[in-house]
Parts: sequence; structure tokens; C-alpha cells
Amino acid sequence: EPEVTQTPSHQVTQMGQEVILRCVPISNHLYFYWYRQILGQKVEFLVSFYNNEISEKSEIFDDQFSVERPDGSNFTLKIRSTKLEDSAMYFCASRPGPNYGYTFGSGTRLTVV
Amino acid sequence: DAKTTQPPSMDCAEGRAANLPCNHSTISGNEYVYWYRQIHSQGPQYIIHGLKNNETNEMASLIITEDRKSSTLILPHATLRDTAVYYCIVRVAADLSGAGSYQLTFGKGTKLSVIP
Repeated sequence: EPEVTQTPSHQVTQMGQEVILRCVPISNHLYFYWYRQILGQKVEFLVSFYNNEISEKSEIFDDQFSVERPDGSNFTLKIRSTKLEDSAMYFCASRPGPNYGYTFGSGTRLTVV
Repeated sequence: DAKTTQPPSMDCAEGRAANLPCNHSTISGNEYVYWYRQIHSQGPQYIIHGLKNNETNEMASLIITEDRKSSTLILPHATLRDTAVYYCIVRVAADLSGAGSYQLTFGKGTKLSVIP
């Protein structure tokens, strides 16, 4: 069964550093997403991406965050200057069309120290 | 998107059917009911979704009441691997142009414990 692949599985970074989280969505999917989950809390929406542009973003997704789909296969989330409160599991998801279920990746655990 | 209400936790004996309820009394006509689950800290996993009719796939069945104000997810023969948090999410449909709401709003869900 096709999977959404995320790398790395765990990243530790110092506060203020830039991090890039990488995702390879399923190849025929058109809609891409990033969600995050702080330990013990709900899964929260960050951003959706369709037709090479951001279609929706949450209040969490401020100027420190950006997304890119540079080569038609990878989908990346960049955090420019990480803060302690950015520590969370980050999940990438994709789906083929607007009324299909999402396929989530297994996540990247980001730890900011 | 309409708000959903789920019990915080449920137990189910292994091999028995697990019936997980969800109330969505303010659901509107173009909103779908989606079910996802999250096993420990893994990524959420899509289970099933429906609009009006009952749905069944290899994982589960979804029963939606006629007035659409509530639904039940049924795992017909629960196993230990079904222990997870189950999320009922109501979401507006997006049209084919891609417009409309895309995001899923996760609540706290129901923590299902399957007991040997």
C-alpha cells in the first residue's frame, strides 16, 4: 500500500536554528498538508497546499514557517528560527482529491533545546 | 465545521464488536462524517467516511442516523491492535475546483482500549 514518507524520524535542534522537515507524499495525490501534535495535546492543522500554492493556513503557521514542493515529489516544511514551543510531532499528509481520506506519514519528532 | 461529541474512553473485549458513538447535532447537509484513529504517537489513520448512507470497508462500518445528527463506528471484531484514540470529524465538502475547507479539526476523540 502506498505510504507518505517523512524524514527524519527524529530531529534535535538548538533554539534559533532553522530546520527543514521532509515529506514524500503519495505520487498521484494532489493535496498536501502539515499538522503537528504537541506531546499530550490534540493534532493541530498547520497548512494545506494545492496547485503549487498554500490554500489554507492556521494561526500557528506564522512568518517563521514556510512550505515548498520543489521538485514535484518532495514537500517540505521549514521553520526559520525554532523556538522551544515548536517541539512537537510534525505529520505530513496527502490525498488524491477533495473528498478522499487523508494518508498521514509516521511523523517527525522535533525537539528544540 | 460542525462540532462533534465523543465519549472520552471506552473498553471492548477482544473479539467483540466495538461500537464508537459520535454526536454531531449541528451537522449541515454538505458535511461528511470522517473517522480516523491514532495508535500511540503514530500518524492518524483514515478509517472511513460517509455523507448519508451507511458505509462499510475492510476496516469498519459507519452507521449514520437518518437525521444525520449522530453516527456510530463499528469495528466488527476488535483486536488488541485496535487500541487507539478514535476521532470523529465532520467536515464540509470541497468542490472540484479545490475551493472550500480542506483541513481536519481533531478533537480529543475516544480512547478505545481492547482488553484480552
